[in-house]
Amino acid sequence: DAKTTQPPSMDCAEGRAANLPCNHSTISGNEYVYWYRQIHSQGPQYIIHGLKNNETNEMASLIITEDRKSSTLILPHATLRDTAVYYCIVRVANSGYALNFGKGTSLLVTP
Amino acid sequence: SAVISQKPSRDICQRGTSLTIQCQVDSQVTMMFWYRQQPGQSLTLIATANQGSEATYESGFVIDKFPISRPNLTFSTLTVSNMSPEDSSIYLCSVELDRGGYGYTFGSGTRLTVV
Repeated sequence: DAKTTQPPSMDCAEGRAANLPCNHSTISGNEYVYWYRQIHSQGPQYIIHGLKNNETNEMASLIITEDRKSSTLILPHATLRDTAVYYCIVRVANSGYALNFGKGTSLLVTP
Repeated sequence: SAVISQKPSRDICQRGTSLTIQCQVDSQVTMMFWYRQQPGQSLTLIATANQGSEATYESGFVIDKFPISRPNLTFSTLTVSNMSPEDSSIYLCSVELDRGGYGYTFGSGTRLTVV
């Protein structure tokens, strides 16, 4: 799996957009970018994933640069319940192998 | 996405004893994964459990300490043996299911405290 780099922590005001960056400069052509989050001591929760096109779902948007060496997860209107650790993981889809978690970004949404 | 039922959700155990954690999935899966999350840390993979064969353990984890069973395609157990306070962690199971691209699904975790 390609290595990812994320800032250890970020703050965001409630109602504002939270933009979480991830660098994955060694990503290979068949690797997807996955984002998961873990809300205090719960199991990680899938957010979104993409290969090279920008993606949007009901939770978030994923912007992947054209060279695919970095991406940004956008929570458009952060709420207090979005306070969590966010993990960016690069992985071949349906690999049969486990996800490898880095340290992630601890996002604190403040009132 | 798949639904995973993990039990118990938490337990407090005496050192030297063992605890078995169960993970039940609502559909058949080939691989099941077991993780440990120590306080304040990220998730660390313990082992991969494939039905019908012995689990594959990551470096630093051994079968005598963390025996795993995988009797069928929907169920697995992880036992934490001869526990010490250093085993106090959250233990999670996970499966890979490509249902609409959800990828991996996780159980809610077992919070273990060893006293």
